[in-house]
Amino acid sequence: KQEVTQIPAALSVPEGENLVLNCSFTDSAIYNLQWFRQDPGKGLTSLLLIQSSQREQTSGRLNASLDKSSGRSTLYIAASQPGDSATYLCAADNTDKLIFGTGTRLQVFP
Amino acid sequence: ETGVTQTPRHLVMGMTNKKSLKCEQHLGHNAMYWYKQSAKKPLELMFVYSLEERVENNSVPSRFSPECPNSSHLFLHLHTLQPEDSALYLCASSQDRVPGNTIYFGEGSWLTVV
Repeated sequence: KQEVTQIPAALSVPEGENLVLNCSFTDSAIYNLQWFRQDPGKGLTSLLLIQSSQREQTSGRLNASLDKSSGRSTLYIAASQPGDSATYLCAADNTDKLIFGTGTRLQVFP
Repeated sequence: ETGVTQTPRHLVMGMTNKKSLKCEQHLGHNAMYWYKQSAKKPLELMFVYSLEERVENNSVPSRFSPECPNSSHLFLHLHTLQPEDSALYLCASSQDRVPGNTIYFGEGSWLTVV
């Protein structure tokens, strides 16, 4: 049974710092790994999708990497801004079902 | 119009009430989903519809009853709920069933059972 863990659970940093959010999964037989952002009281917004054959994906200041063999993915946020404050969730996609972690709650203060 | 629209955004209901959550997607997708998000727990997949046919039901209690009348609309009918059912209910859609497809979520419906 796939289990997804995200560390840390919460993170508070000053503006401008480069950040790394971690995601680990127990079953490496995944189709892809997805990262989402959730603002308080809102739905999820898809940020990046990494196919199992890929090592990383980039979108603006965001870069996500995938290491299937070790069961890990990282989301790198460059030059963080207060507008990046949100909860970030990763989800492993196998057996055509997304399994979510509990998220990392990020606060970026000015 | 946003891609996936959910109504109502907030709902308070008694344990003996019957209510429904509505979801509409404007993306031309073939697959729709209901997820439950409770505090400090991962999102839980409840139901999956593909081309209007229910293809997955993850051991959800019968007090939750989904309905998909067409590929653009999805309902979650609620009756005789329990306080522990209070949560954020999220609807989502994708071009086809995952894997490999980006999934788009609605803003969610906050449900409080009193």
